[in-house]
Amino acid sequence: DIVMTQTPLSLSVTPGQPASMSCKSSQSLVHSDGKTYLYWYLQKPGQSPQLLMYEVSSRFSGVPDRFSGSGSGTDFTLKISRVEAEDVGVYYCMQGIHPWTFGQGTKVEIK
Amino acid sequence: EVQLVESGGGLVQPGGSLRLSCAASGFTFSSYWMHWVRQAPGKGLVWVSRINSAGITTTYADSVKGRFTISRDNSKNTLYLQMNSLRAEDTAVYYCVRERATWPDIWGQGTMVTVSS
Repeated sequence: DIVMTQTPLSLSVTPGQPASMSCKSSQSLVHSDGKTYLYWYLQKPGQSPQLLMYEVSSRFSGVPDRFSGSGSGTDFTLKISRVEAEDVGVYYCMQGIHPWTFGQGTKVEIK
Repeated sequence: EVQLVESGGGLVQPGGSLRLSCAASGFTFSSYWMHWVRQAPGKGLVWVSRINSAGITTTYADSVKGRFTISRDNSKNTLYLQMNSLRAEDTAVYYCVRERATWPDIWGQGTMVTVSS
């Protein structure tokens, strides 16, 4: 199975400041169809995970444009340009090559 | 509104059984692969099992293979997870998840399973 490794495990951010987190996979996530099967989810406290980004850099419907994803192959990054209070929670990266595997999560809190 | 609602969780003794259900609404259930993903208390997300849209093809994580059975009833828009020989390490919130293309796009609210004597 593909191992997903996230860093850092926690972030404390001042509102209005940027935040960045990394996700590395143990093997390339580029599929034979040319797409890269890397996704980002946010699990807010007490809630189910919600999709933020799909295929590395495409924002899911309704996701604010302060969220952006980048990367290729095995190295990926999620950035929040200006953190807001509603962004607190645990961010998970996930790879979509069966079987699905998730990173350990990056917990974002507000200073 | 697209929705997945799990039920059937609870407290069970080690070695016991439980059947989880997931009622789907707001979309054509029979067109989608469905999955179960679990999350132990304070821990991360772990994929458990999947089933294709027709209910013919199933796959399991090694940790549950031979003990859990995923199934679906497309006439009732319902997904199931039969869990036998439960262990303490199966304690988790179990999420029913819809697959869109290759990723989970819709998650249920989860149902808690606690395995303890």
